[in-house]
Amino acid sequence: AQSVTQLDSQVPVFEEAPVELRCNYSSSVSVYLFWYVQYPNQGLQLLLKYLSGSTLVKGINGFEAEFNKSQTSFHLRKPSVHISDTAEYFCAVSGNTGGFKTIFGAGTRLFVKA
Amino acid sequence: DAGVIQSPRHEVTEMGQEVTLRCKPISGHNSLFWYRQTMMRGLELLIYFNNNVPIDDSGMPEDRFSAKMPNASFSTLKIQPSEPRDSAVYFCASSGYMGSGEQFFGPGTRLTVL
Repeated sequence: AQSVTQLDSQVPVFEEAPVELRCNYSSSVSVYLFWYVQYPNQGLQLLLKYLSGSTLVKGINGFEAEFNKSQTSFHLRKPSVHISDTAEYFCAVSGNTGGFKTIFGAGTRLFVKA
Repeated sequence: DAGVIQSPRHEVTEMGQEVTLRCKPISGHNSLFWYRQTMMRGLELLIYFNNNVPIDDSGMPEDRFSAKMPNASFSTLKIQPSEPRDSAVYFCASSGYMGSGEQFFGPGTRLTVL
């Protein structure tokens, strides 16, 4: 079975500071990994995804994530955050098991303070 | 494309009433997902379809919940009878590829059961 753990439920950070949102997964098969963002009163939208190839994945809005197979992690980073990055971020995993069902983490709420 | 369309956006009903939520996926997508989001339980996958066929309904909380996808462009999630604990935001999402594909989320239906 697959699972996703987002290690921080809330991350406060000052504007223009760097941020890392942590995600660990477990799976017995090859995985596809995703980060989604949810702004208030909206649905989720994709930030970036890892399917194969380069372990460093770049996404929208200056975010990037690194797939680390040995540590089963897929942490999300941004070198300098803006107030507008305040949102909830979800890590997700899917793979060739369970009918390719995508499993979402519990979410990390990022608060960017002025 | 207009994206995933959900209706209604808000629904307030009384306990015991039937509620029907509607979803129109993105044209050409062959997978459709229904999620429920609450503060307590986070984002839960209720059911998903591939090519209009239900693949996994293990997330449907109980027999009061039912979902149908009569054709590739329409799906419904029905709750009968509704209860206050069903109050949540319900999201529909669609994808062109199971597992490795991005899921496109609708804006959600905020359901309040009094």
